[in-house]
Amino acid sequence: GAGVSQSPSNKVTEKGKDVELRCDPISGHTALYWYRQSLGQGLEFLIYFQGNSAPDKSGLPSDRFSAERTGGSVSTLTIQRTQQEDSAVYLCASSVNRVDGYTFGSGTRLTVV
Amino acid sequence: SQQGEEDPQALSIQEGENATMNCSYKTSINNLQWYRQNSGRGLVHLILIRSNEREKHSGRLRVTLDTSKKSSSLLITASRAADTASYFCADFQGGGSEKLVFGKGTKLTVNP
Repeated sequence: GAGVSQSPSNKVTEKGKDVELRCDPISGHTALYWYRQSLGQGLEFLIYFQGNSAPDKSGLPSDRFSAERTGGSVSTLTIQRTQQEDSAVYLCASSVNRVDGYTFGSGTRLTVV
Repeated sequence: SQQGEEDPQALSIQEGENATMNCSYKTSINNLQWYRQNSGRGLVHLILIRSNEREKHSGRLRVTLDTSKKSSSLLITASRAADTASYFCADFQGGGSEKLVFGKGTKLTVNP
């Protein structure tokens, strides 16, 4: 596709359940990023992929959060044993180089009840 | 940690007026970028200004960079209701890091 695609667009889950969020970056974009945005706040960096490897995963809040990327393309962000404080919009972005900036997906709004 | 902080946090103007948003940085600027976000979802890249540039234009947007004050400004001229959005500045953390760090943003409201 022409843009970054994220699914699902909305997810409501019960506290304690696991969730998987998916990101399809723009074809050819080797760099992929996950961010989290709580209501009315700025973006919180979670993890960065270059190809299939994650040189920087320093933003993952706890060991309940993990992410992988396969084939240098699709990435999944998994949150285990979800907590209410995990409720936020999770944004994925990809880029081919720094100069052109990042292209963001529309995000997944996660609500933990 | 945050690299940049936007000012003001919120700005309300009338259509046709100019809007100015500022971004201040604690450390040196690398490749400072401005993004727009509508309705709390995906961000759109607006403009990038390098550390050796002082001013850049794109349509009704004008970005300036003052490295001595560690600040950047985004000016939107002749604003329209459709410019209503949150605007964020972002820069790479430095030291070759690919981590793009965002400020908390300025919420702009343009009243028709």
